[in-house]
Amino acid sequence: ETGVTQTPRHLVMGMTNKKSLKCEQHLGHNAMYWYKQSAKKPLELMFVYSLEERVENNSVPSRFSPECPNSSHLFLHLHTLQPEDSALYLCASSQGGTGELFFGEGSRLTVL
Amino acid sequence: AQSVTQLGSHVSVSEGALVLLRCNYSSSVPPYLFWYVQYPNQGLQLLLKYTTGATLVKGINGFEAEFKKSETSFHLTKPSAHMSDAAEYFCAVRRGYNQGGKLIFGQGTELSVKP
Repeated sequence: ETGVTQTPRHLVMGMTNKKSLKCEQHLGHNAMYWYKQSAKKPLELMFVYSLEERVENNSVPSRFSPECPNSSHLFLHLHTLQPEDSALYLCASSQGGTGELFFGEGSRLTVL
Repeated sequence: AQSVTQLGSHVSVSEGALVLLRCNYSSSVPPYLFWYVQYPNQGLQLLLKYTTGATLVKGINGFEAEFKKSETSFHLTKPSAHMSDAAEYFCAVRRGYNQGGKLIFGQGTELSVKP
């Protein structure tokens, strides 16, 4: 496997469910990111991890809980979500320098 | 603070016609600029980037962009559109080091290509 891999690609959940999104990068990068992409809105940066420490949390509701157990893996734990949380969640990684991001294909989340 | 404005949320061209997608930025530091493309149901893929040096940057799939400091612009062009170019395109600028050096994205421009 190469690049950034996200699973699952599609997820449908009820408002009372608990689920997790997984991201894995095979690029040897030292930073990982979660972005939210909603229709007709700019990409929203949710969380940033650098060297496995969370360095940015952009006022994201506590129903989203990130976890970065090592530099290659990033999770987004989801619980008691709202319908407005339905979106494409994109994971990305980078390695210092120019800040260039490498994205996964995204997890399409639908909250019923 | 850094910001990015993409002019036109939707652009439509005919196959074989020139593609021009506009991006203006503001930055308090020398900017690093990027164009990403997103095909349906996929993540974002880097098309090209400007960091330093030559202001005309060539990317994948025949795209290029020119950094114009005097106009604070980084417009994306392709001489001849192909049907496969239909996608959404995002311009991005890197924040300064004192803001973590992260990317700030524009709102995106959807490109349609008519046969």
